Amino acid sequence: DGGITQSPKYLFRKEGQNVTLSCEQNLNHDAMYWYRQDPGQGLRLIYYSQIVNDFQKGDIAEGYSVSREKKESFPLTVTSAQKNPTAFYLCASSIVTGANEQFFGPGTRLTVL
Amino acid sequence: AQTVTQSQPEMSVQEAETVTLSCTYDTSENNYYLFWYKQPPSRQMILVIRQEAYKQQNATENRFSVNFQKAAKSFSLKISDSQLGDTAMYFCAFMKPLSNDYKLSFGAGTTVTVRA
Repeated sequence: DGGITQSPKYLFRKEGQNVTLSCEQNLNHDAMYWYRQDPGQGLRLIYYSQIVNDFQKGDIAEGYSVSREKKESFPLTVTSAQKNPTAFYLCASSIVTGANEQFFGPGTRLTVL
Repeated sequence: AQTVTQSQPEMSVQEAETVTLSCTYDTSENNYYLFWYKQPPSRQMILVIRQEAYKQQNATENRFSVNFQKAAKSFSLKISDSQLGDTAMYFCAFMKPLSNDYKLSFGAGTTVTVRA
């Protein structure tokens, strides 16, 4: 089955630690996105990538980093510089023409202890 | 980022009734796309319906329809014959394709509860 997988589903981090959230897709989509979801704020874009080895900052990129070494994979690292990392993180992918929907993964809930 | 406003944080509807969710957006663009996404308690985001701004006809998908008022920059979602499975958070989203980045800007969401 084609789709997007995110792992882990739940992640706990101690303050000062970096953590990496995994996102993999087998939809052959060129574009991939990372969003953060907080209560009452909808989804906010962290980073996005339209092609391998290239990515752009979204609206709230500070304290996060990404890589796009393979078309299928777009991991997100939450660094210790992110002041309030506890949130629900969603990965999405799409093709890059027209009004094409973004397909979302099941999400990762990150909690800082 | 474009501004998308959903002014109703929560709505409740009786099963089989109709509910309408409001969405307004701010843009100076003439060509763009609008979407409604559904996020049920499982938190899996699912596309409900989409609308191209250059199309005058309102989009419809089974029990879901939109009222797109371009001049008013309004994009409301109507859920007819509400079912218990419609209980979810609904997000309105805007895309400006001419920027070549296909980013989505989301509203804050409306939580819809369907009562049995």
